[in-house]
Amino acid sequence: DIQMTQSPSSLSASVGDRVTITCRASLSIDRHLNWYQQKPGKAPKFLIYDASTLQSGVPSRFSGSGSGTDFTLTISDLHPEDFATYYCQETFRNPPIFGQGTRLDI
Amino acid sequence: QVQLVQTGGGVVQPGKSLRLTCAAPGLSIRNYAMVWVRQAPGKGLEWVASISYDGTKKFYADSVKGRFTVSRDVSKNTVYLEMSSLRVDDTAIFYCARDGGGIAARPRYFDYWGQGTLVSVSS
Repeated sequence: DIQMTQSPSSLSASVGDRVTITCRASLSIDRHLNWYQQKPGKAPKFLIYDASTLQSGVPSRFSGSGSGTDFTLTISDLHPEDFATYYCQETFRNPPIFGQGTRLDI
Repeated sequence: QVQLVQTGGGVVQPGKSLRLTCAAPGLSIRNYAMVWVRQAPGKGLEWVASISYDGTKKFYADSVKGRFTVSRDVSKNTVYLEMSSLRVDDTAIFYCARDGGGIAARPRYFDYWGQGTLVSVSS
């Protein structure tokens, strides 16, 4: 199976900051990379697909980039509601694999 | 409007069985693959199983292969996860989700999620 490694595992930031989360695949997955946000006690929320395409309704302060093995999720101008755990997911082939998550704290 | 509604979780002893149900009263799932994802307490997300839009193709994580069965009833707009020979390490919140790739042959992205249901395996 493909391995997905996120970094950092956790980070602290302040409202208004810009943060970047990295996701690395163990082999090239082209641009088959998605991002999700999860808040405590809630189901994950789908944010970005195909590495950089925002799902409808997702604020433009979220952006994704990358291809091959290295990907990033950037959140500019952090809002209070953005503090959550973020997961990358590869869908290059079955099984779809999630990264271990990055917890973003205030 | 809740779009994927899950039922069927609970506490069960090791070795027993349980069936989870995922209904879609407010969402079209007819032409979409559906998946189950679980999250052990304090842990990350783990894909468990997928079923194609027409129910002909099913995929399972190695950790549940041979013990779990995914199925769907098109007429009821519902997906099921039958879990047998449950183990303590199956304890998790289980989510159903829609694969937004439609009838695509491979996974795409999970765009709608159920609210989650807790399965607790304990003696």
